[in-house]
Amino acid sequence: DVKVTQSSRYLVKRTGEKVFLECVQDMDHENMFWYRQDPGLGLRLIYFSYDVKMKEKGDIPEGYSVSREKKERFSLILESASTNQTSMYLCASSLKAYDTSGGGNTQYFGPGTRLTVL
Amino acid sequence: AQSVTQLGSHVSVSEGALVLLRCNYSSSVPPYLFWYVQYPNQGLQLLLKYTTGATLVKGINGFEAEFKKSETSFHLTKPSAHMSDAAEYFCAVSDPYTGNQFYFGTGTSLTVIP
Repeated sequence: DVKVTQSSRYLVKRTGEKVFLECVQDMDHENMFWYRQDPGLGLRLIYFSYDVKMKEKGDIPEGYSVSREKKERFSLILESASTNQTSMYLCASSLKAYDTSGGGNTQYFGPGTRLTVL
Repeated sequence: AQSVTQLGSHVSVSEGALVLLRCNYSSSVPPYLFWYVQYPNQGLQLLLKYTTGATLVKGINGFEAEFKKSETSFHLTKPSAHMSDAAEYFCAVSDPYTGNQFYFGTGTSLTVIP
């Protein structure tokens, strides 16, 4: 089974702090994703990465950056946390499209990190 | 461009009643379609998916969904609701040829009334 883990389930930070959220997957997936989830808005893509050291902006990248130095690890960085970044953050991973194993590009999710910025 | 619409942000059913959660999509090519479930304070878990082949797809926990190309729909059903089905459900679409990204609906919260 695919396993995606996130470094913290709950996190409380102060405004202006630098925040690191880490995600690790154990299935050698090429793609990794960071979403934020807010009530009534569903999941919104922040950034994704399709290979080591590669990244693409999603729908709401402002105020965030990412790092992917190793294939299994994808970090989300809040350079200077603000109260409007209080949210649930979800990491996911998948094989690339064109996968012929039948799994397609199914995304597998971690348990989430609920971040509160005070 | 692809998009997903989930009709009804909140659905309530009685225990034992039929569950029907609606999902319509917009896509320029035959998409891959997914349903995920999220229990409180947890990540998303794959319920079922349609990629190719049979249009009626069976998933975990007794759920199934039917891909109807003519209606651009992928509605989720379960014949008899259980209390444990209370959760948030998300429909998602992806382009199998060019896209590694998913496009999610805004979710439907299912309440099961005893």
